[in-house]
Amino acid sequence: NAGVTQTPKFQVLKTGQSMTLQCAQDMNHEYMSWYRQDPGMGLRLIHYSVGAGITDQGEVPNGYNVSRSTTEDFPLRLLSAAPSQTSVYFCASSLRRPYSNQPQHFGDGTRLSIL
Amino acid sequence: AQKITQTQPGMFVQEKEAVTLDCTYDTSDPSYGLFWYKQPSSGEMIFLIYQGSYDQQNATEGRYSLNFQKARKSANLVISASQLGDSAMYFCAMREGRGGGNKLTFGTGTQLKVEL
Repeated sequence: NAGVTQTPKFQVLKTGQSMTLQCAQDMNHEYMSWYRQDPGMGLRLIHYSVGAGITDQGEVPNGYNVSRSTTEDFPLRLLSAAPSQTSVYFCASSLRRPYSNQPQHFGDGTRLSIL
Repeated sequence: AQKITQTQPGMFVQEKEAVTLDCTYDTSDPSYGLFWYKQPSSGEMIFLIYQGSYDQQNATEGRYSLNFQKARKSANLVISASQLGDSAMYFCAMREGRGGGNKLTFGTGTQLKVEL
């Protein structure tokens, strides 16, 4: 039972570098999303997708890009890393049932530091 | 205005005692869902319990129960018979029905420490 798999688990970048955080799920979930977690601020939604080929912005989308070419994968791209993007990033997925009790399943997170 | 408010940054409880973690929410949507997640020091997010806005009864899952007071817009998590393994960060989150899809809005969390 792989669930939601995020890679890498840790990453250190220099300001201005770009990178892609990978997220894959094997539960055939339509809905996938990316959150960032900062101390004292809970989790905040960056981008989300309701299915392959469909993405939309969340609360804090600036500096990030996403695409959804398959149901399984939802990569998050940092275009030009900034120290303010130092955070823990979580990918989550769920069935697309807005009125149900279906919880979002989270990956183990990626701890990203921008120097 | 904050959509989800958790006013207790930290809580202490004695082992085997019950503890209540507070959560208030703000929405004008009649259809919404409230979730509680646990985040241990290892970092993963673990789903605990769900309450829907139209649910007639308070949700329960083992030692977890949700004290849902709709008129007061509160959804407090009650953990009975606390165990050392309950020490973790706890997040309340809301999914709004209209246009919200599956998006979750999280509170800032409560750090619970269970003591002997």
